[in-house]
Amino acid sequence: GQQVMQIPQYQHVQEGEDFTTYCNSSTTLSNIQWYKQRPGGHPVFLIQLVKSGEVKKQKRLTFQFGEAKKNSSLHITATQTTDVGTYFCAGNFGNEKLTFGTGTRLTIIP
Amino acid sequence: EAGVAQSPRYKIIEKRQSVAFWCNPISGHATLYWYQQILGQGPKLLIQFQNNGVVDDSQLPKDRFSAERLKGVDSTLKIQPAKLEDSAVYLCASSLGTSGRNEQFFGPGTRLTVL
Repeated sequence: GQQVMQIPQYQHVQEGEDFTTYCNSSTTLSNIQWYKQRPGGHPVFLIQLVKSGEVKKQKRLTFQFGEAKKNSSLHITATQTTDVGTYFCAGNFGNEKLTFGTGTRLTIIP
Repeated sequence: EAGVAQSPRYKIIEKRQSVAFWCNPISGHATLYWYQQILGQGPKLLIQFQNNGVVDDSQLPKDRFSAERLKGVDSTLKIQPAKLEDSAVYLCASSLGTSGRNEQFFGPGTRLTVL
């Protein structure tokens, strides 16, 4: 079936360190979205990537879409306590719906 | 702009009982989604509506789950009868369009515990 895998499942970092989560699909994606879910909260949209090799930045966050449109990454520079939460990628296989990844839970050690 | 509203926020029932969840999407959003999120997992799409028609319900356990979208606005998701494995957060989301390229706005969710 069409699945989107994310690694790592958990990441603990010291405040100020960088963080990266990776998203992989076995088949080509039409586009990919990233969401953040704070503890006890609901997913909130961060960004969408559509083009092969696309790179987008939001302040300390950098999002990349692979050349083959099968993988994506989210990199956070110099993490802050406000970055705590679970980051999900969600892929569109061209069938009008999103398939969410397994998520990477980020905790920050002050 | 008001967000996606859901009720109730929490529900505790015993197995084999019935339960219903309600969702009011953002005004003007044509597409409404119901997701099931089990603890520690990503949201899993149960059903997707465009206006009052079903776009996808391939992962909806139709022997016990049902959903409707009244007049293309509000929606209700029902479970009858509930099983222990239905314990999860049920998230409603909405978007302007139906394609997988639209940003989805999520409600606060309903946390269901089945005992």
